[in-house]
Amino acid sequence: GEDVEQSLFLSVREGDSSVINCTYTDSSSTYLYWYKQEPGAGLQLLTYIFSNMDMKQDQRLTVLLNKKDKHLSLRIADTQTGDSAIYFCAEILNRDDKIIFGKGTRLHILP
Amino acid sequence: EAQVTQNPRYLITVTGKKLTVTCSQNMNHEYMSWYRQDPGLGLRQIYYSMNVEVTDKGDVPEGYKVSRKEKRNFPLILESPSPNQTSLYFCASSPRTSGGRYNEQFFGPGTRLTVL
Repeated sequence: GEDVEQSLFLSVREGDSSVINCTYTDSSSTYLYWYKQEPGAGLQLLTYIFSNMDMKQDQRLTVLLNKKDKHLSLRIADTQTGDSAIYFCAEILNRDDKIIFGKGTRLHILP
Repeated sequence: EAQVTQNPRYLITVTGKKLTVTCSQNMNHEYMSWYRQDPGLGLRQIYYSMNVEVTDKGDVPEGYKVSRKEKRNFPLILESPSPNQTSLYFCASSPRTSGGRYNEQFFGPGTRLTVL
């Protein structure tokens, strides 16, 4: 069945770069997303990448897409304490518009 | 203000007592969806709807019902709640892009449900 896999935890020192990885299953997914969930809040779209792109950069965020390996990554440059959150990778399946989320990666910032 | 609202935000109920969680969006979005979030399991889609009178099962539809009689509302119904439905529930909506696909999901604030 469909599955989106990501590691559950990541610890990074403040000021370093964070890289969160994700693998997905549907090679025909049109959009792939990164959502951020801060404590006690709902999810907010952080960034997304269209399937015909390899890379997307938005200020401190860089998304890399490797379609051959079905691998998506999110790089956060100069990680700040405000980046502490759970990050979810998600895909929307092309065949039926069902949305599959990963289990989320909890990013912990070390001082 | 463009938003997705859910009510109630918190609910404690007992096994078997029917309940409805309402969801409403004011952005004229076609796509609406319900998720449950559980520790270690992430976010799982329960049901989704691509337009009025169109609903489809997500990954975990058992024990839930939905309806989409109007574009703005997408209530989640638990006919006979059980303790394994204790969870944090999110409603979300999404616009259709010019290319006919769905893009960003806008999430509601969440409803924390406890079934005793």
